Amino acid sequence: AQSVTQLDSQVPVFEEAPVELRCNYSSSVSVYLFWYVQYPNQGLQLLLKYLSGSTLVKGINGFEAEFNKSQTSFHLRKPSVHISDTAEYFCAVSRSNFGNEKLTFGTGTRLTIIP
Amino acid sequence: EAGVAQSPRYKIIEKRQSVAFWCNPISGHATLYWYQQILGQGPKLLIQFQNNGVVDDSQLPKDRFSAERLKGVDSTLKIQPAKLEDSAVYLCASRHFANTGELFFGEGSRLTVL
Repeated sequence: AQSVTQLDSQVPVFEEAPVELRCNYSSSVSVYLFWYVQYPNQGLQLLLKYLSGSTLVKGINGFEAEFNKSQTSFHLRKPSVHISDTAEYFCAVSRSNFGNEKLTFGTGTRLTIIP
Repeated sequence: EAGVAQSPRYKIIEKRQSVAFWCNPISGHATLYWYQQILGQGPKLLIQFQNNGVVDDSQLPKDRFSAERLKGVDSTLKIQPAKLEDSAVYLCASRHFANTGELFFGEGSRLTVL
């Protein structure tokens, strides 16, 4: 089975500062990795995904993440955050079984932007 | 295109009562998921449908939870009888077969069991 650990439950960051949200996964098979964002009172929305190929993936709203197989990590980064980035961010993992993905989510990281 | 629709948005019931949640996925999305999100935790998969067939229900507490997707479109999740620990947001998501891992989520149905 696959699992995900998000190391920080809350991350406060000043506006226009860079941010990194950490995610480590565990799996004995090859995986797909995802970051989802949840704005208050809304459903989750896909930010970006790693399936194969380049280990640096870019997503929406200026976010990017890097897949590191040796460290089993998939950290999310943004060089300059905005107030509108305030949300809960979830890392998720799935066995790389195309067409039948079953996503296992982490516990989430609440990103708070300080003006 | 219209998103994933869920209802009701909020529901408060007493323990041992029953409740049902409805989900209408995005048109053309064959895969439908129900997730349970308890406060402070990540979403946990309850059941996954492919068209009207169940792909995975290994984490569905079958003694009290049931779900169906009779015509391969909308779906209903039922809890009977409810327990205090069922208080959570129930999220429905759908996915197009060609879009690997891109789930589209509804806004969720928040259940409070008193």
